[in-house]
Amino acid sequence: DIQMTQSPSSLSASVGDRVTITCRASQTISTSLNWYQQKPGKAPKLLIYAASSLQSGVPVRFSGSGSGTHFALTISSLQPEDFATYYCQQSYSTPMYSFGQGTKLEIK
Amino acid sequence: QVQLVQSGAEVKKPGASMKVSCKASGYTFTAHYMHWVRQAPGQGLEWMGLINPGSGSTDNAQKFQGRISMTSDTSTSTVYLALSSLRSEDTAVYYCAREIVLLSSPIVAFDFWGQGTILTVSS
Repeated sequence: DIQMTQSPSSLSASVGDRVTITCRASQTISTSLNWYQQKPGKAPKLLIYAASSLQSGVPVRFSGSGSGTHFALTISSLQPEDFATYYCQQSYSTPMYSFGQGTKLEIK
Repeated sequence: QVQLVQSGAEVKKPGASMKVSCKASGYTFTAHYMHWVRQAPGQGLEWMGLINPGSGSTDNAQKFQGRISMTSDTSTSTVYLALSSLRSEDTAVYYCAREIVLLSSPIVAFDFWGQGTILTVSS
């Protein structure tokens, strides 16, 4: 099975900050990598698919990059509504679509 | 608009079975695979399995082999997840999630999610 490891596990930042969350795959997954945002008590929301494609309706301050085994989600200027937990997910190894352990983004 | 509406919370005893429903609306039901993902309290997301609502074909994580069943009813645009031999570790929120369909890429990602169904397994 492909293991997905996110870092950091938690992060404190301020409104307006630029933030980057990284995700590493235990083996190459090309660009088969998605990012989700989850707020407490809510279902996850798709932000980025195929490593760098922005899902419809998602603000352009979110961007994704990477290929192979290293990936990143960047928020260019944090807004109050961005404080949440973020998950990466690989979709290379069908049908075992594993997620990272999550990164909790908190207000500093 | 696309909606996935799941059935309500359930409380089960160890060894029992559960069945959760997910009713889809706002799109062609058979055009998108449906996945099931669960989240234990305070934990991350765990992919469980998928179903092709049109054909009924399924696939699931090895971890759940022998305990999981996924079915679909095209007449009501509803998919079901059943899990048997429940144990306390199955206590979680269970989500259905629609697989995205992109003409430009065979990517697998989940673009719409149900609201979640809380399952509590306790004696």
